[in-house]
Amino acid sequence: SAVISQKPSRDICQRGTSLTIQCQVDSQVTMMFWYRQQPGQSLTLIATANQGSEATYESGFVIDKFPISRPNLTFSTLTVSNLSPEDSSIYLCSVTPGQSSYNEQFFGPGTRLTVL
Amino acid sequence: AQSVTQLGSHVSVSEGALVLLRCNYSSSVPPYLFWYVQYPNQGLQLLLKYTTGATLVKGINGFEAEFKKSETSFHLTKPSAHMSDAAEYFCAVSPRRGTYKYIFGTGTRLKVLA
Repeated sequence: SAVISQKPSRDICQRGTSLTIQCQVDSQVTMMFWYRQQPGQSLTLIATANQGSEATYESGFVIDKFPISRPNLTFSTLTVSNLSPEDSSIYLCSVTPGQSSYNEQFFGPGTRLTVL
Repeated sequence: AQSVTQLGSHVSVSEGALVLLRCNYSSSVPPYLFWYVQYPNQGLQLLLKYTTGATLVKGINGFEAEFKKSETSFHLTKPSAHMSDAAEYFCAVSPRRGTYKYIFGTGTRLKVLA
């Protein structure tokens, strides 16, 4: 398994600003994912972050709005840019150790973002 | 394309009663199947998974699920509900080859009545 921490756990931001969320894992992992969970809804994958390459974004999500960094095998950041109230969500990172883990993903505790 | 359907966005059971949360998937090849639980203000915790072998899998907290290929289902059960089981439950699938991406169901909020 993997232990994942996220910072901040929650934040309240003003419209037009940006928030950067950090995801730290206690071991080296192959793949990291960023999800958005809008109020009362399921998880939607934003992008897959691989170390040493650009993130792969899902349909409806663009790099200008959600830039991602993955500088090493234990850390990633997601920035939510030019915030609007519609960005109020929980943002979760997850990891899969890869290899023979049957695609199992481990999730961080999430970052609850409120945009005023 | 794969999809996941969870019937019932809200389920209420009495304490001590059977818990049954439904999950059906759509895929030409049986995927890997997962159930996650999300307690209020927390991230997701893996309850159990089906990858290969025995179709009845046991997870944490007394939950189990059975993979039925003919019905393309992976329903989650627990014989006796406890107040602490109140949470949101998500079914997820991942293809066996290629991408590691998950497709999540819409979730089922379980309420346990005293």
